[in-house]
Amino acid sequence: SQQGEEDPQALSIQEGENATMNCSYKTSINNLQWYRQNSGRGLVHLILIRSNEREKHSGRLRVTLDTSKKSSSLLITASRAADTASYFCATVESGYSTLTFGKGTMLLVSP
Amino acid sequence: NAGVTQTPKFQVLKTGQSMTLQCAQDMNHEYMSWYRQDPGMGLRLIHYSVGAGITDQGEVPNGYNVSRSTTEDFPLRLLSAAPSQTSVYFCASSYEYQETQYFGPGTRLLVL
Repeated sequence: SQQGEEDPQALSIQEGENATMNCSYKTSINNLQWYRQNSGRGLVHLILIRSNEREKHSGRLRVTLDTSKKSSSLLITASRAADTASYFCATVESGYSTLTFGKGTMLLVSP
Repeated sequence: NAGVTQTPKFQVLKTGQSMTLQCAQDMNHEYMSWYRQDPGMGLRLIHYSVGAGITDQGEVPNGYNVSRSTTEDFPLRLLSAAPSQTSVYFCASSYEYQETQYFGPGTRLLVL
């Protein structure tokens, strides 16, 4: 069953605005990962944040992790039309050797 | 460096037919996995392997079979295709199970 749940399910913004997506999960995790999927393509890894980390940056991406609330957020700053995609969070539960994906957030960035 | 490759890209099967979805990686990754993606369901794990000769079931293994005779290849077999197996199938690999996953481009399967 799905461990992570993304919120919102869909998000529509204008170019230049920031986009924030949230992920909640249920159990203790080793790490949490964010992936992007362009329409009809495979998933591409964006960021991995470990359970002992609180924040991580990569270019225009900022990920936070709050293990006490069992939640993570992905912030994309200064969005571009090319950021239009589905974004998934995935978790590795403590003691397990598999990655569990959420259902994703569809982001539409309009020019 | 081709990364993760999958063949075929598209396939149409009739109910009851069998087929094998191919997956190969050239990154010397020990961990490989198969997911299916259905609308509104995200990705669900079918089978995975932590190394050559070792496989295990994921969340939705019924109707699928895997083997891992080499580090590079991880084929997924549909034993007797059913319409419920209509989906997009993704293969992924990684150095370790909890590290970054590298995905293939996917195989779109339609079972009539």
